[in-house]
Amino acid sequence: DGGITQSPKYLFRKEGQNVTLSCEQNLNHDAMYWYRQDPGQGLRLIYYSQIVNDFQKGDIAEGYSVSREKKESFPLTVTSAQKNPTAFYLCASSPVGTGGRETQYFGPGTRLLVL
Amino acid sequence: GENVEQHPSTLSVQEGDSAVIKCTYSDSASNYFPWYKQELGKGPQLIIDIRSNVGEKKDQRIAVTLNKTAKHFSLHITETQPEDSAVYFCAATLRDDKIIFGKGTRLHILP
Repeated sequence: DGGITQSPKYLFRKEGQNVTLSCEQNLNHDAMYWYRQDPGQGLRLIYYSQIVNDFQKGDIAEGYSVSREKKESFPLTVTSAQKNPTAFYLCASSPVGTGGRETQYFGPGTRLLVL
Repeated sequence: GENVEQHPSTLSVQEGDSAVIKCTYSDSASNYFPWYKQELGKGPQLIIDIRSNVGEKKDQRIAVTLNKTAKHFSLHITETQPEDSAVYFCAATLRDDKIIFGKGTRLHILP
C-alpha cells in the first residue's frame, strides 16, 4: 500500500523543547516538502528537498531544521527558536520530472500544540 | 513576490447547484495548476489538475478552466453533494519548481 505517512498525529511541545516530526514515503519520489498550515493562511513552504543529502529553505524556514539522509525519509525538527509553533504540519512528495512540474502528494498531517 | 489569489474564501451553495472557485496567478512561467480538496483534520488530496497547453479539463462533476492570457483558472463543481463540503485549494508552479498555494475556499453544501 503506497503512500506518505506522518507521525505522530498529535504532538505536544513544552517551552524550550525541540521536537521532531516524522515523514516517510514509499512512492519512490525524489522530492519531498514540508508545509505549515494556519487557519486562513493556506499552506506555507518550510523546507524542501529534491535529492538525498540536499535541501533548500522555503518561505518560513526560521526556527526549523530538516535532514534528508534517505530517499524515503524527510524529518522536520521544530526548534525552541520557533516562537509560535502551534500549527498543522503537512509533508508532501513528488517525482522530479522535467522542470519539476509534477503533482505533490500529501501525508495526513501532524498537529503540533504548545503546552 | 509571486502569489496566487483565490476567491471566494467561503462559499455556500444549495445541494444540487453548481459551485465555482476562481484563482489568479502572477508568474507568467507557471504551467501546471493543481486543485486540492482538504477535509477536516486530513491532508489535501489532488482532485484535478491542468497544464498550460490545455484550456479545459473535465472529470465527472468536476472541471477546471485555464485562461493563460488573463492568468486565471477556475474550478467548477456541478450537481453538488454533501460530501463536496471541504476546503479547496488552487495552486500554481513557479520557475524554481516549487508550488504556491491559494489561501483556500471553504465550501458548504446546504441541504
